[in-house]
Amino acid sequence: QLVLTQSPSASASLGASVKVTCTLSSGHSSNAIAWHQQQPEKGPRYLMKVNSDGSHTKGDGIPDRFSGSSSGAERYLTISSLQSEDEADYYCQTWVTGVRLFGGGTKLTVL
Amino acid sequence: EVQLVESGGGLVQPGGSLRLSCGASGFTFRNYAMSWVRQTPEKGLEWVSVITDSGGSTYYADSVKGRFTISRDNSKNTVYLQMNSLRAEDTAAYYCAKEWGRGTGLFDSWGQGTRVTVSS
Repeated sequence: QLVLTQSPSASASLGASVKVTCTLSSGHSSNAIAWHQQQPEKGPRYLMKVNSDGSHTKGDGIPDRFSGSSSGAERYLTISSLQSEDEADYYCQTWVTGVRLFGGGTKLTVL
Repeated sequence: EVQLVESGGGLVQPGGSLRLSCGASGFTFRNYAMSWVRQTPEKGLEWVSVITDSGGSTYYADSVKGRFTISRDNSKNTVYLQMNSLRAEDTAAYYCAKEWGRGTGLFDSWGQGTRVTVSS
């Protein structure tokens, strides 16, 4: 069964970097995923697609501070030079035929 | 620029019905699968349903199967979600989302959402 696992929370200081992790369940380690950001009281926003080889394709207007990478069944979102507006929930998302699936989300706090 | 605009949300009694619409612009609508996703205040994002580019195939989350119907009108660049037999647990913000392209069930654009409240 396809499951995406995320840590519920993460925190880092203003100006620092943070890495958010999404883990694909066994048997699905080759899946591409998408990262979506949801700032408080706003709808989701597509950040990027991350492939199993670590290549990533960002959405329009997404700053260079946001990048993606992969290792095995893990997909990463790295945010560098953290800004206050990066405080948000971050969701990974993937699919199999007939089903779309989200991770539980990671709440990022910028200290 | 891709734009997705949802409408049709509101307050409805348990057991009632509602139809959501999502108007699309800025891309060739007929070439992309479209999904509906919902979010409650307590939970994260929950995928609800997807319809393929032609409308020939539809899929649903178990939580809504048999009660919700997704459809689309490619001549109007609009996707719909007909929600019947509504329950309190269907209360949520509903978003439509565009998929990346054929063979990729990843979302690359979102609407701003419409709120549905099921309450007596």
